Amino acid sequence: QVQLQESGPGLVKPLETLSLTCTVSGGSISSSPYYWGWIRQPPGKGLEWIGSIYYTGTTSYYNPSLNSRVTISIDTSENQFSLNLKFVTAADTAVYFCARPRQENAGGAFDIWGQGTMVTVSS
Amino acid sequence: EIVLTQSPATLSLSPGERATLSCRASQSVSTYLAWYQQKPGQAPRLLIYSASYRATGIPARFSGGGSGTDFTLTISSLEPEDFAVYFCQQRLNWPLSFGPGTKVEFK
Repeated sequence: QVQLQESGPGLVKPLETLSLTCTVSGGSISSSPYYWGWIRQPPGKGLEWIGSIYYTGTTSYYNPSLNSRVTISIDTSENQFSLNLKFVTAADTAVYFCARPRQENAGGAFDIWGQGTMVTVSS
Repeated sequence: EIVLTQSPATLSLSPGERATLSCRASQSVSTYLAWYQQKPGQAPRLLIYSASYRATGIPARFSGGGSGTDFTLTISSLEPEDFAVYFCQQRLNWPLSFGPGTKVEFK
């Protein structure tokens, strides 16, 4: 079955770029028309959708609160998709999850999740 | 942008009791609403999609209802493993959005 695994630095300096990768195993990222997503959760708080990208990489949607700082890309050759968040501040400290919706060609609901990776923004 | 609110913020109950959680949308989301359960240190788990359909492997004690702007998640008889935080999420429109969550805690 499909599994997701986030990877990337656990510590990022303020105003630098947070870069995370989600590796998909158990299936090809390019074989089915899913919107692959990123969601984050600050410590002790709720879930925030960051953005989603179509399996072809041709379409992406972002949270308006992050829109100017976020980019999601897809690398079918590596079976991965990635998150870049620029100019980070302490408010971007969170557990970052990658996820896949249960339904093709739809933005949610997410039924497959990575385990999450904690990213701390600090100098 | 669709805003979701959840009530109550905290629900204090005992095992065996019935839990009723509410999610309200700022505008109609039809039945494009999902519910998740999250335990400490874990990723969320999808419980309900399309307002009332149980996801794979979810026990029958979990049920969802509602349409438009008002939704409920009901746990008919709480098991010890059900004490967790529950989030709703809409997928009618981009941007996707989550509710702030309801914590079901031991009374």
